[in-house]
Amino acid sequence: GESVGLHLPTLSVQEGDNSIINCAYSNSASDYFIWYKQESGKGPQFIIDIRSNMDKRQGQRVTVLLNKTVKHLSLQIAATQPGDSAVYFCAETGGGADGLTFGKGTHLIIQP
Amino acid sequence: SAVISQKPSRDICQRGTSLTIQCQVDSQVTMMFWYRQQPGQSLTLIATANQGSEATYESGFVIDKFPISRPNLTFSTLTVSNMSPEDSSIYLCSVGTNQETQYFGPGTRLLVL
Repeated sequence: GESVGLHLPTLSVQEGDNSIINCAYSNSASDYFIWYKQESGKGPQFIIDIRSNMDKRQGQRVTVLLNKTVKHLSLQIAATQPGDSAVYFCAETGGGADGLTFGKGTHLIIQP
Repeated sequence: SAVISQKPSRDICQRGTSLTIQCQVDSQVTMMFWYRQQPGQSLTLIATANQGSEATYESGFVIDKFPISRPNLTFSTLTVSNMSPEDSSIYLCSVGTNQETQYFGPGTRLLVL
């Protein structure tokens, strides 16, 4: 069936460096995409979202890029901090009352 | 965003028993969903909790195993019935308003022995 997947299960970066987490999706009808951060023992925390009529959206230290041609989504985190260590999930939905389809997750490790 | 709480936060249960998980939101929300997160894995949608009608289940999930209630716009329950060790997971509720963004509760960590 349709799915959302990630290229790298684990990403290790030095504190202060920028990190990029990638996600591929296969449902061409996907209309809305969200990135979540999940720390150990907690529920997923909303980071940033983007709609299919956009190709870039920026937040505080985070940027999401959407390439609909190749069905690719990425999350860029600038100047990583120890608190950024977590598992990051991309999720997609067709919108409206639909639930979310999640990718496999990437464990981001920030090294001092 | 809404403040979402879940009870219990964790539990250890014996196989064959059932556990009901509660999800409470501090404001009225349009949509409520239940997800399962198996150990070390991603989240999978179980069902959409519909207020005043039967829940809508995803493929692979059935009402007899995961009965859901949603009596009003701020509360829902998920029951995990006749549990087996394979049901050991984190169960999460999420809420959505008129936008597609969903916000998650802290989760209920279930271990079945």
